[in-house]
Amino acid sequence: EAGVVQSPRYKIIEKKQPVAFWCNPISGHNTLYWYLQNLGQGPELLIRYENEEAVDDSQLPKDRFSAERLKGVDSTLKIQPAELGDSAVYLCASSSSGSGGNTQYFGPGTRLTVL
Amino acid sequence: KNQVEQSPQSLIILEGKNCTLQCNYTVSPFSNLRWYKQDTGRGPVSLTIMTFSENTKSNGRYTATLDADTKQSSLHITASQLSDSASYICGGASGGSYIPTFGRGTSLIVHP
Repeated sequence: EAGVVQSPRYKIIEKKQPVAFWCNPISGHNTLYWYLQNLGQGPELLIRYENEEAVDDSQLPKDRFSAERLKGVDSTLKIQPAELGDSAVYLCASSSSGSGGNTQYFGPGTRLTVL
Repeated sequence: KNQVEQSPQSLIILEGKNCTLQCNYTVSPFSNLRWYKQDTGRGPVSLTIMTFSENTKSNGRYTATLDADTKQSSLHITASQLSDSASYICGGASGGSYIPTFGRGTSLIVHP
């Protein structure tokens, strides 16, 4: 079974430029998450989707960040414009819907460097 | 606010030795406690998930314990291998959510 796929794996951009990350979750997983992970820190939730609906986006900086999951499968996270402080690893995860003990499966992440 | 604190921040051990990592959590109301292993350049991989009623759970050479009274968890690694070198992250989830608040992780280095 294929795991969570993310692309690109690495991205280097100059500040004020736009950037987009793509995620394809495990087949059949209704729940998709985007996390941000700074060096030496644990992941922090940005947004959670149940199918195509964003059910928890309270930590998403909506002035510059946006996300979509149009058909309830793959998802895109965008930053426009990027700032120096956005340099981090952006992780995508998925899980099957159901009880609170569901395992989250993480992708390899996209490492963003903003110059 | 939910909080998770891990110790030590980093640990170096020799191959074949055992070690124990600690996690203190303030998660209310408590739902579950998770341990993840994160290799460099990879996403976290789930090791164990424990609910309030579970006080120990094993996954191969990894054994997690949970003390709901003291709000502490530990991850014990037996007979360490070089491949155990990674960051180990603890996460506590509240209510009926399966979205954990993560700690900063413990960086483990296993030397030959």
